[in-house]
Amino acid sequence: GENVEQHPSTLSVQEGDSAVIKCTYSDSASNYFPWYKQELGKGPQLIIDIRSNVGEKKDQRIAVTLNKTAKHFSLHITETQPEDSAVYFCAADTGNQFYFGTGTSLTVIP
Amino acid sequence: NAGVMQNPRHLVRRRGQEARLRCSPMKGHSHVYWYRQLPEEGLKFMVYLQKENIIDESGMPKERFSAEFPKEGPSILRIQQVVRGDSAAYFCASSPQETSGVNTGELFFGEGSRLTVL
Repeated sequence: GENVEQHPSTLSVQEGDSAVIKCTYSDSASNYFPWYKQELGKGPQLIIDIRSNVGEKKDQRIAVTLNKTAKHFSLHITETQPEDSAVYFCAADTGNQFYFGTGTSLTVIP
Repeated sequence: NAGVMQNPRHLVRRRGQEARLRCSPMKGHSHVYWYRQLPEEGLKFMVYLQKENIIDESGMPKERFSAEFPKEGPSILRIQQVVRGDSAAYFCASSPQETSGVNTGELFFGEGSRLTVL
């Protein structure tokens, strides 16, 4: 089955700096890679996603890159703000099941 | 359009009791997934259901746990004879169905049901 690894597990940045979270996957059949943000006591919310036929996607301050050859994808958050503080999960979808990374706890220091 | 609705949000049970967690998917969604999340851990897949069918239950413990998604009504995750190790947040997610029947890949989560076993 698919194995998704996510790094780092915790990340602290100063407000205004950029944050980068990286994930790798093992199953070349995975073709859809969403990123979720989970705030304390709430359910994960989709913030951005990318499909295997695209190398990069951007939505305002967040962007995701995908390298299918190397089987890794990354989340980039620029100009971080305190409200970006949360746990972020990457996932890989093989078409039948979603496999999640173990999460990155991001803290943005004002 | 209401999102994925889970209830109860919080449930307390004593060891040996039964826990029933309900999930109503978003309108028009026919795929339901259940995940378990332990404190400060990731989301662990449990089961994937479509209406009246269990598609993949490879993440579900073989004993005491069962899930269903009937033709009418919510999906239910049932845990019999709960033990302290069952204490966790249980998240339901749903996704829409393309006309071809293939999962579009977009997953929408509920707010979760937090089970505490005393």
